[in-house]
Amino acid sequence: DAKTTQPNSMESNEEEPVHLPCNHSTISGTDYIHWYRQLPSQGPEYVIHGLTSNVNNRMASLAIAEDRKSSTLILHRATLRDAAVYYCILTRFSGTYKYIFGTGTRLKVLA
Amino acid sequence: NAGVTQTPKFQVLKTGQSMTLQCAQDMNHNSMYWYRQDPGMGLRLIYYSASEGTTDKGEVPNGYNVSRLNKREFSLRLESAAPSQTSVYFCASRQGREATEAFFGQGTRLTVV
Repeated sequence: DAKTTQPNSMESNEEEPVHLPCNHSTISGTDYIHWYRQLPSQGPEYVIHGLTSNVNNRMASLAIAEDRKSSTLILHRATLRDAAVYYCILTRFSGTYKYIFGTGTRLKVLA
Repeated sequence: NAGVTQTPKFQVLKTGQSMTLQCAQDMNHNSMYWYRQDPGMGLRLIYYSASEGTTDKGEVPNGYNVSRLNKREFSLRLESAAPSQTSVYFCASRQGREATEAFFGQGTRLTVV
């Protein structure tokens, strides 16, 4: 399974945009890029995923580099509720999709 | 709409005892997963089941067994609990060949003393 590298922690001010980076230099052509987040004392929840093109949904945007060796999760206006650990995961179909979590980025949102 | 339900939510075991963690999903998903999460760490995959009737080892399968009882239920068994198995256990499920999202349960906090 291809690996991802994320900063251990980041801080953001409330109501400002947040850009969470992820490096995945060994990504293969069939690897999807998934982002999950884990709020304190909860199970992970899905944020967004993509393959090659940038993606938007109601929670966030995903910007994927042209060579696909990195991606950025963008929270357009951080709120206190967005304080969580964010995981960038590569996954490909092999009977199903496996999600191998790294240590993620702990996002702190300052009021 | 319950999603993924795990029971129990909390459990304390003595070393050497056995127990089964239960997981059920009501979304008609094909694939189910068991993870463990130690303090300050990310989740680690224990076992997964791509579809009813199949199970496969994940990253850390030693000391665990699983049963995919039917499409809804995927149980995780600890035959002889050890303190190193103290952790929070998460079950997850997802659907199909498309790279869609996985849904996670709220976790079972297990302490082995």
